[in-house]
Amino acid sequence: QVQLQESGPGLVKPSQTLSLTCTVSGDSVSSGHHYWSWIRQLPGKGLEFIGYIYYSGSTYYNPSLKSRVTISVDTSQNQFSVNLTSVTAADTAVYYCAGRLPDYFDYWGPGTLVTVSS
Amino acid sequence: DIQLTQSPNSLSASIGDRVTITCRASQSISNYLNWYQVKPGKAPKLLIYVASSLQSGVPSRFSGSGSGTDFTLTISSLQPEDFATYYCQQSFSTLWTFGQGTKVEI
Repeated sequence: QVQLQESGPGLVKPSQTLSLTCTVSGDSVSSGHHYWSWIRQLPGKGLEFIGYIYYSGSTYYNPSLKSRVTISVDTSQNQFSVNLTSVTAADTAVYYCAGRLPDYFDYWGPGTLVTVSS
Repeated sequence: DIQLTQSPNSLSASIGDRVTITCRASQSISNYLNWYQVKPGKAPKLLIYVASSLQSGVPSRFSGSGSGTDFTLTISSLQPEDFATYYCQQSFSTLWTFGQGTKVEI
């Protein structure tokens, strides 16, 4: 059974960088089956796709976040990570990692709340 | 970006009720529409993919239909564990987008 788990600081100061890691168990990030993705849920709003990385290192980012986002993969640790720079209160959200197939997300982590505040 | 609009935003229902949630796309997305169930603190769960295919392990009381711009998620007989927020999501365009969610409450 594939499981994903997000980890990282729950509180980040404005203008700093938000960094989260997703640990994958039950599958290999190198298997080539999934595009490893990040999604967030802004308070009182819907879900927003942030971006994904393929095991080869190729990436795609939401154009609205592209200038601030970097997603990377660590095959030795079976993890992938997201960095979001220059955060503001508007980046406060529950952040999810997920495994994406060509047409849908089939695996998700439980999410982690990140609050941006001084 | 393709906009997805769900209705209603929330609904109140009782155990055993038939519940229908709709999702309308701002342009045709063929059948590239998925449905997820989200509960606080839990991993979101894929229910329906490509409009009408039931994900493995999902109870058969969940069903999906539609194509083009109009889609429906139906729960034939609401169970206690079904109280949650439901999201549609399109995978037609390069940038995948979600609806705003429908909260199903008691």
